[in-house]
Amino acid sequence: EAGVAQSPRYKIIEKRQSVAFWCNPISGHATLYWYQQILGQGPKLLIQFQNNGVVDDSQLPKDRFSAERLKGVDSTLKIQPAKLEDSAVYLCASSRDSTSYEQYFGPGTRLTVT
Amino acid sequence: DQQVKQNSPSLSVQEGRISILNCDYTNSMFDYFLWYKKYPAEGPTFLISISSIKDKNEDGRFTVFLNKSAKHLSLHIVPSQPGDSAVYFCAASDEDSSYKLIFGSGTRLLVRP
Repeated sequence: EAGVAQSPRYKIIEKRQSVAFWCNPISGHATLYWYQQILGQGPKLLIQFQNNGVVDDSQLPKDRFSAERLKGVDSTLKIQPAKLEDSAVYLCASSRDSTSYEQYFGPGTRLTVT
Repeated sequence: DQQVKQNSPSLSVQEGRISILNCDYTNSMFDYFLWYKKYPAEGPTFLISISSIKDKNEDGRFTVFLNKSAKHLSLHIVPSQPGDSAVYFCAASDEDSSYKLIFGSGTRLLVRP
């Protein structure tokens, strides 16, 4: 069974530029999560999808971050415009359904904003 | 407000000895706890979990203990192996918050050969 796929693995941009990350969850997993992990901290949930609907986006900075999961499978997370403090690893995770505690993580995208 | 805390940023143990990683939480509504292991340049991988109705769960060399009255859990690795060297994250969740995970800041474990 293939794991969670993410791309790109690394991205360097200048502040005020835009960037997009892509995630393909484990096949059949209905729930998809985006996390932000700043160096030295644990992952922090940005947004949770159940199929193509948003379950929780309370921690998403909506003035600059957006995410979508149009067909209930893969998802994109966008930052526009980026700030220096957005430098972090962006992790995508999926779980079988919204009542599953166990989440499976992708390798992440390391974003550096200069 | 950190709901899940891992107060030891790092731990070093000798191969073959026991590694004990600790985690404290503040939210009494948490009903499920998980440990994840993370190698550099990889995403966290699920290691072991425990429900709040239990006080111990064992899987091979890994055992998690839960003390609800103290709001404390620990991960024991016996015996420790060099391949266990990684960052370990404690996470907590509750059914009422859509099963989302709240992570601690992690403990970096180094197992010396």
